[in-house]
Amino acid sequence: ETGVTQTPRHLVMGMTNKKSLKCEQHLGHNAMYWYKQSAKKPLELMFVYSLEERVENNSVPSRFSPECPNSSHLFLHLHTLQPEDSALYLCASSQVGYEKLFFGSGTQLSVL
Amino acid sequence: SQQGEEDPQALSIQEGENATMNCSYKTSINNLQWYRQNSGRGLVHLILIRSNEREKHSGRLRVTLDTSKKSSSLLITASRAADTASYFCATPAGGTSYGKLTFGQGTILTVHP
Repeated sequence: ETGVTQTPRHLVMGMTNKKSLKCEQHLGHNAMYWYKQSAKKPLELMFVYSLEERVENNSVPSRFSPECPNSSHLFLHLHTLQPEDSALYLCASSQVGYEKLFFGSGTQLSVL
Repeated sequence: SQQGEEDPQALSIQEGENATMNCSYKTSINNLQWYRQNSGRGLVHLILIRSNEREKHSGRLRVTLDTSKKSSSLLITASRAADTASYFCATPAGGTSYGKLTFGQGTILTVHP
């Protein structure tokens, strides 16, 4: 089983839908991240949870709501998204004190 | 403005040739990382070089770091078609105990068989 698992791999949703992205890490790490990768833009850090506390929220619209119930699981709840939110959403994990990130395969999100 | 910027944006070579990608950054760092991403997939860590290191090797990868010029290069020797991917440099934001990284826009490498 891979170290960081994301589901679903692909998601198509309408602007009025509510959906959730799930991330699970099996590496024993204690920090988890959501990154957004849009076409022709660098990866954007959205949220960071360190030791299960949210420590970063980089001006992300409230239609994105993260949840970290424990150090192994991370969710991104989505509601009333816009077409410009279509992107690859990447989850990553690391050990606090270490800079190396381990990424999941991502969820390719399309908002219609 | 971006912390890390890669150059070139795209690189197309034949199998067996070497590929060199460059990264420039703006602020002082204590380390720099390189990641690889296959199309539509997650990023995979390749190598980390610390500010007190000038060069580091890992298999067919060679990374250099010049802190005076605030630049790094990634060399892939004897490239293979399987090396086709996007390559990103990443620098730490600093002041945190976790891995908050800033990524560049990446270099798209295409290796033709």
